[in-house]
Amino acid sequence: DGGITQSPKYLFRKEGQNVTLSCEQNLNHDAMYWYRQDPGQGLRLIYYSQIVNDFQKGDIAEGYSVSREKKESFPLTVTSAQKNPTAFYLCASSKDPTGAKNIQYFGAGTRLSVL
Amino acid sequence: GENVEQHPSTLSVQEGDSAVIKCTYSDSASNYFPWYKQELGKGPQLIIDIRSNVGEKKDQRIAVTLNKTAKHFSLHITETQPEDSAVYFCAASNYRDDKIIFGKGTRLHILP
Repeated sequence: DGGITQSPKYLFRKEGQNVTLSCEQNLNHDAMYWYRQDPGQGLRLIYYSQIVNDFQKGDIAEGYSVSREKKESFPLTVTSAQKNPTAFYLCASSKDPTGAKNIQYFGAGTRLSVL
Repeated sequence: GENVEQHPSTLSVQEGDSAVIKCTYSDSASNYFPWYKQELGKGPQLIIDIRSNVGEKKDQRIAVTLNKTAKHFSLHITETQPEDSAVYFCAASNYRDDKIIFGKGTRLHILP
């Protein structure tokens, strides 16, 4: 089965703790993205990566970090510097981000809550 | 940068009636406009898209129209069914950029 897998589905963070959200894809897509979804806010871009070992900040990168050591993996770390981390996090990938159609395929999401 | 406005934020229609969701964009260079549907607890999925060289596109009960001059595009769902209840997002992108900009979403309720 091809697709994007996010884990875990639910995650709880304690005060001052860093947590890492996993995103894996077997679609052989070059580009991967992390979005944060809050009620009434739509999808806001946190970080994105077009190729291995390279990534760019999105609109709300503060308090987050990423790595792209493998093409199929793009983990997101929510650091203790992110003071309001409670949200639904979505990972996406795209085969041809600068082509005629930037079709993004999304995972099922991780819901992060603060204890 | 690009900005996408989406209206309404919530829409309730009677089953069998039509639903229309409207979006405007600011960057005249935008040339690709996808629509995504997000069901509860899931990630968004592409349902239809349109490129700027086309004014309208249909796929069974859904259609999208694009007015490049006015910089707005709309999603039309006809003969709505209970399974159409979801959050719908419009988006815009262009060849220069490697990301797409999403609207804030419309929660569509289909009433029995």
